[in-house]
Amino acid sequence: QVQLQESGPGLVKPSQTLSLTCTVSGGSISSGSYYWSWIRQPAGKGLEWIGRIYTSGSTNYNPSLKRRVTISVDTSKNQFSLKLTSVTAADTAVYYCAREDRDNAYHIWGQGTLVTVSS
Amino acid sequence: QSALTQPASVSGSPGQSITISCTGTSSDVGGYNSVSWYQQHPGKAPKLMIYDVSNRPSGVSNRFSGSKSGNTASLTISGLQAEDEADYYCSSYTSSSTWVFGGGTKLTVL
Repeated sequence: QVQLQESGPGLVKPSQTLSLTCTVSGGSISSGSYYWSWIRQPAGKGLEWIGRIYTSGSTNYNPSLKRRVTISVDTSKNQFSLKLTSVTAADTAVYYCAREDRDNAYHIWGQGTLVTVSS
Repeated sequence: QSALTQPASVSGSPGQSITISCTGTSSDVGGYNSVSWYQQHPGKAPKLMIYDVSNRPSGVSNRFSGSKSGNTASLTISGLQAEDEADYYCSSYTSSSTWVFGGGTKLTVL
């Protein structure tokens, strides 16, 4: 079965770029009609949808983050990635990658990775 | 996009039923049947409990059910069990081709 695993630095300095990768195992990122998404959760707070990428490369982003977010896919590595520029302490959160299935729901999630923005 | 509105907390005794509401607008909840509900235990990733308003994924107990009326969706849990104690989030597709989550509801089983 398909599994997702986030990876990347756990500490990022303010004003720098947060970069995370989600590795897909147990299946090809190119097969099927799926959206591959990033969702985050600050400590003690709710979920915030960041954005998604289709296997064709088309993207959708949260309007509040759109100016700073880029999501890309690398089919050769079976991975998709998140870049968030000009980070501040407000971007400190657990970041999840997830797969949006054809029934319009997130059936599969990664375990999440904590990213702290601090000098 | 604004977060969907959920009550901060609900509680119930074992065996009882509870309902969690999720209010949006005609641009999200009211305009689409793509409403889903997620359960999240502390330190864990969210788990899908309901999709497309009222459908249960394989393996999810039939004690969980969903519905929608206008701009408000609801999650009902019947026969409450201790293991149901968790945070619950609703989510809806939007007219901007994005997704929006609710603020979350903490369910306490008394």
